[in-house]
Amino acid sequence: DTGVSQDPRHKITKRGQNVTFRCDPISEHNRLYWYRQTLGQGPEFLTYFQNEAQLEKSRLLSDRFSAERPKGSFSTLEIQRTEQGDSAMYLCASSLEGGYTFGSGTRLTVV
Amino acid sequence: GQQLNQSPQSMFIQEGEDVSMNCTSSSIFNTWLWYKQDPGEGPVLLIALYKAGELTSNGRLTAQFGITRKDSFLNISASIPSDVGIYFCAGQRYAGGTSYGKLTFGQGTILTVHP
Repeated sequence: DTGVSQDPRHKITKRGQNVTFRCDPISEHNRLYWYRQTLGQGPEFLTYFQNEAQLEKSRLLSDRFSAERPKGSFSTLEIQRTEQGDSAMYLCASSLEGGYTFGSGTRLTVV
Repeated sequence: GQQLNQSPQSMFIQEGEDVSMNCTSSSIFNTWLWYKQDPGEGPVLLIALYKAGELTSNGRLTAQFGITRKDSFLNISASIPSDVGIYFCAGQRYAGGTSYGKLTFGQGTILTVHP
């Protein structure tokens, strides 16, 4: 197992387009998290799954954002009608207990 | 969203010097974690602290979980050029509801090490 994998690493999109990111967690990890990180800031929590159940969503996750983890394995994060303010690094992490393992992130640039 | 107060914001040191950074919160956390992030990568866990007062080392890194559970510090001894990066503290709560597992991060400390 090579850790948490995120795809794509970079995404440039035009304002108003939809984008989808994928996260493949460490296989035995039942918890999966999405965070967003803007320049000069620490990561901020977006949402969290335990197996396939989405247990918590941050107020940062507007109705343009949706996340799924259909079979309790990989997860997708979709942003509809992207805005320039959505430009950020989107980080996925997984855990079984205790400290997380983060992926390398998807850098989104909305132009 | 809420973030922890991490200081200093940046440090410029000479190779071989020791480094200290800390993190404070207005509320209690059950777990404190320290991460390092390199440009374009995700954070990598350095040290995890689970008990108030706990002092834990990982090589040249030492971290402590404050007695009040509202603060933590990280020390790096005998710094080397590869210590360059951004260091983040993070707090985690286990108490009730659906908040289990969520991390709250500090703003980061940017460390530059001059050879």
